[in-house]
Amino acid sequence: NAGVTQTPKFQVLKTGQSMTLQCAQDMNHEYMSWYRQDPGMGLRLIHYSVGAGITDQGEVPNGYNVSRSTTEDFPLRLLSAAPSQTSVYFCASTVGGGSTYEQYFGPGTRLTVT
Amino acid sequence: AQRVTQPEKLLSVFKGAPVELKCNYSYSGSPELFWYVQYSRQRLQLLLRHISRESIKGFTADLNKGETSFHLKKPFAQEEDSAMYYCALSGDGGATNKLIFGTGTLLAVQP
Repeated sequence: NAGVTQTPKFQVLKTGQSMTLQCAQDMNHEYMSWYRQDPGMGLRLIHYSVGAGITDQGEVPNGYNVSRSTTEDFPLRLLSAAPSQTSVYFCASTVGGGSTYEQYFGPGTRLTVT
Repeated sequence: AQRVTQPEKLLSVFKGAPVELKCNYSYSGSPELFWYVQYSRQRLQLLLRHISRESIKGFTADLNKGETSFHLKKPFAQEEDSAMYYCALSGDGGATNKLIFGTGTLLAVQP
């Protein structure tokens, strides 16, 4: 299994440009999430999905869109990039509950908006 | 409001010294607490979960509901323990995937 994969690893955008961060998992997990990681702020939840066709907002959803057409893929779209969206983005998929609950993270995408 | 607080941005210790990474939480129900670790150039990964009461790589963490704390401890630090550590809370019993993370503590173990 490849686990959780993310592309690209690095991206530089100009203010106002749009792009899609890709995330895929091959573990057949129902739950997937997007986080952003900023210095001094830890990881903050952007959007999440509890299954194909179902998405919901997390703590910091503004400026981002998601969709979940398949179990495997959970892309994150930046509609009009802003410098405040400079961050490292992590995708995660979740398995289990209770004592087996675990989130598996992708390697991250480092995004710079100039 | 649900919140996880890690008061130390950086904790520097010498090899062989005891380590305690602090984590306090705010949650009105019965939370599930986790510690995640991110080694240099690696992805974030689960270290341990309170519900399992496990010891991983010599680390333990006890949930203290009275003090709303979930501190991570290791009696003798090793250089390979150097990493960023995040405390995280799930407020819905792990039913979904909404984790609330603290701001992280960078552990630096000096030789």
